[in-house]
Amino acid sequence: SQTIHQWPATLVQPVGSPLSLECTVEGTSNPNLYWYRQAAGRGLQLLFYSVGIGQISSEVPQNLSASRPQDRQFILSSKKLLLSDSGFYLCAWTWEAEAFFGQGTRLTVV
Amino acid sequence: KQEVTQIPAALSVPEGENLVLNCSFTDSAIYNLQWFRQDPGKGLTSLLLIQSSQREQTSGRLNASLDKSSGRSTLYIAASQPGDSATYLCAVAMNRDDKIIFGKGTRLHILP
Repeated sequence: SQTIHQWPATLVQPVGSPLSLECTVEGTSNPNLYWYRQAAGRGLQLLFYSVGIGQISSEVPQNLSASRPQDRQFILSSKKLLLSDSGFYLCAWTWEAEAFFGQGTRLTVV
Repeated sequence: KQEVTQIPAALSVPEGENLVLNCSFTDSAIYNLQWFRQDPGKGLTSLLLIQSSQREQTSGRLNASLDKSSGRSTLYIAASQPGDSATYLCAVAMNRDDKIIFGKGTRLHILP
């Protein structure tokens, strides 16, 4: 069966520090992969999505970037975190447009 | 541009009641529609997926319907329980490989 792993679960980082969140999917090949952010009390904001290795679409200009170095690996990065980057980050994959989500990473920038 | 709306944003009902959550979308040419549940601080759990050719899907006490022509879906929860308290989100896909578009969710609170 397919599973999605996202880590870490929680992260506290100082302003100006780098960020790397990783997401991997098992049990499927060539999934579409997504990074979403959910601010407190707000809806899901799509940040990046990828339909294949090295193919990244950015939805919102921002301080973040994404990479897909392997078929089932999706990485969210930042060179210098801002306070406004705090939030709940969710990785997801889709197959035939059915979506499955990881458990999320709670990022607090201090 | 597809937009997904969920009304109300929050809802409180006594335990045992049947309830309906609403989802509307502006472009009826969807590929599928999916309902999710999110508990506080957790990821999203898929509840039901309705393909564009289907009218409804059922799982236990949950029933989701789809009316593409009017751009609406409803999630019916029968005999609500306190454990049903969560945020419920609907999302649509326009084609097999396109991004998923979410509504902002309905925060449901079942009163014991």
